Amino acid sequence: ETGVTQTPRHLVMGMTNKKSLKCEQHLGHNAMYWYKQSAKKPLELMFVYSLEERVENNSVPSRFSPECPNSSHLFLHLHTLQPEDSALYLCASSQSRGASTEAFFGQGTRLTVV
Amino acid sequence: EDQVTQSPEALRLQEGESSSLNCSYTVSGLRGLFWYRQDPGKGPEFLFTLYSAGEEKEKERLKATLTKKESFLHITAPKPEDSATYLCAVRDAGNMLTFGGGTRLMVKP
Repeated sequence: ETGVTQTPRHLVMGMTNKKSLKCEQHLGHNAMYWYKQSAKKPLELMFVYSLEERVENNSVPSRFSPECPNSSHLFLHLHTLQPEDSALYLCASSQSRGASTEAFFGQGTRLTVV
Repeated sequence: EDQVTQSPEALRLQEGESSSLNCSYTVSGLRGLFWYRQDPGKGPEFLFTLYSAGEEKEKERLKATLTKKESFLHITAPKPEDSATYLCAVRDAGNMLTFGGGTRLMVKP
């Protein structure tokens, strides 16, 4: 248990569905991240929030929409996804977005788009 | 652009057979190098942070070292439970975190 909890653990959705991934951290951290992990590819940073403000958006398609209502919660809203979006989606948090701070990860949501 | 390359991609060891994993990097102003362990279907688990060349850190059978161009994760007398994917990441002067592709380690009894 790392103090970062993601739900659901597994999700199967059709291309016309709308769903949301949830992340909650219990570590008192100020920065939260969404990463995508596809088979045989390095982790890809999607979004970064620092003190509830989005500070990074790595050219992610608009069918992915993040939301950070407070420093403990992070959501990823999904709509009209494509099969190539199937992947493990990981949430992480760190003490701050600054240097020398390690990120702690949740267990991930395994997403399958059919 | 920061780059992190891990080798080998996969490594098979017999229990007790020591070896090393490599993480080569190019980064604009290293602010930290991180090692993680990831088990199948789970999120990465933090192992070590290294900040400057010459630094070393140890945890049980694992020892991480750092030079100006690469980091090594030495595994001494590994056990089957050490089987996992080991990830390396670097944070640059702009606070961006870049991951390598990982090394999948399999330790057979």
